[in-house]
Amino acid sequence: AQSVTQLGSHVSVSEGALVLLRCNYSSSVPPYLFWYVQYPNQGLQLLLKYTSAATLVKGINGFEAEFKKSETSFHLTKPSAHMSDAAEYFCAVSVGTSYDKVIFGPGTSLSVIP
Amino acid sequence: DARVTQTPRHKVTEMGQEVTMRCQPILGHNTVFWYRQTMMQGLELLAYFRNRAPLDDSGMPKDRFSAEMPDATLATLKIQPSEPRDSAVYFCASGLPQGLEQYFGPGTRLTVT
Repeated sequence: AQSVTQLGSHVSVSEGALVLLRCNYSSSVPPYLFWYVQYPNQGLQLLLKYTSAATLVKGINGFEAEFKKSETSFHLTKPSAHMSDAAEYFCAVSVGTSYDKVIFGPGTSLSVIP
Repeated sequence: DARVTQTPRHKVTEMGQEVTMRCQPILGHNTVFWYRQTMMQGLELLAYFRNRAPLDDSGMPKDRFSAEMPDATLATLKIQPSEPRDSAVYFCASGLPQGLEQYFGPGTRLTVT
C-alpha cells in the first residue's frame, strides 16, 4: 500500500536560510508525487508535482524537489527562506490506476524567523 | 480566476443536528473530492466522485455521513446526526481526470457542541 512520511512535524529556519522539508514514500508502482502548501485558514494549493519526467522538479515561489528512487525520497528545498513561506507543507503520493486518489502525509509546519 | 467555492465557511451546531456542506467545483472539472482535516488525524479523504458517480467513499462513516453530486456544479456532504467528534475543517477539491492537480476550496469549519 502507498504511504507518505514526513520527517519533522515542525521546522524553523531563519529568513534567508536554506529550507529543507523531508518526504519519503512507499509505493509498489511508479508513483506520482506532490508537494502542497497550506497557508493559515486556506485550502491547499499545489507547489509542484513529479510525474516520471525530470527527477528535479521546479515549482512555484522558488521551491524545487528531487525524486530519488533509490532513497524513496522527494525532499522539498528552497535556497533562501522568506517570511511569506511560513505555512504547512504536505507531501503526497497518488495511487490507483487512474492516479486520481492522493494520499497526503501528516504535514510539516514551517516557521521563518526574522 | 476559477476557484472551488464552499458554503458555509463556518458552521456551529448542536449535537444531533443535521449539517449540510456544499461545494461548487471549477467548471469543467469532473473529479470532486471531500476531505476532513483535524489536528489529530491530519487530512483524510472521505469520498470522491468522477462524472458525478461515487468512486470511493471508504473513508466516510456510512452510518451518519452521505455525499452526493446532484449535478455537475454541486457536491454536497451531509452529516446526520452530527456529533462533537465531527468537529473539523471539511475541504472540497476538484480536478480533471489524470490531470493530477487538485484545486482546493477554502473549507468549511464545523464545530459541533
